[in-house]
Amino acid sequence: DQQVKQNSPSLSVQEGRISILNCDYTNSMFDYFLWYKKYPAEGPTFLISISSIKDKNEDGRFTVFLNKSAKHLSLHIVPSQPGDSAVYFCAASPNTDKLIFGTGTRLQVFP
Amino acid sequence: GAVVSQHPSRVICKSGTSVKIECRSLDFQATTMFWYRQFPKKSLMLMATSNEGSKATYEQGVEKDKFLINHASLTLSTLTVTSAHPEDSSFYICSAFRRGKNIQYFGAGTRLSVL
Repeated sequence: DQQVKQNSPSLSVQEGRISILNCDYTNSMFDYFLWYKKYPAEGPTFLISISSIKDKNEDGRFTVFLNKSAKHLSLHIVPSQPGDSAVYFCAASPNTDKLIFGTGTRLQVFP
Repeated sequence: GAVVSQHPSRVICKSGTSVKIECRSLDFQATTMFWYRQFPKKSLMLMATSNEGSKATYEQGVEKDKFLINHASLTLSTLTVTSAHPEDSSFYICSAFRRGKNIQYFGAGTRLSVL
């Protein structure tokens, strides 16, 4: 049972445009959400997080939006750069140290 | 720079041998570390939670006698794949939980190939 879902396995965006990566979850006990970026044969790198008491968190080009009623979060990258090309995982935490990861979305930013 | 170091990055071993993977938190103490496994084009699957000074907590379906975890200090956790078989070949990743920041920081991963 996949508690965290990323329904788009891949996304292709032109450089300079906005990239929007989506994530849905099923467990209402999740109260902390994170986005990680991963290159092949490397460990995930933390990007940005959001607590369930907020609906938006911004860090430079990265903004995460949380819609608790819809159990949905999204990561916006603007402007997108070729170096952003990677696999992006969303993760959710049920008020513990543990993370439940989504299946990932491969982002490709082309010139 | 990296805050979690994982070693080795790649290991090739014969079937039946044991392999140890180390995970170190470099600039913070981690009472909790995690071990994940990633299959090709799949998500990260949590194998176990490593608790400093106590036994690891394994996820359902993960054999604790097969994947031995030791967390003897606040900066080091080890995963030993015992009597490795070809089906154990995978990408193993560790992470360390940094309290206060409430973030898991990941190592670079270990590619295990069992011949």
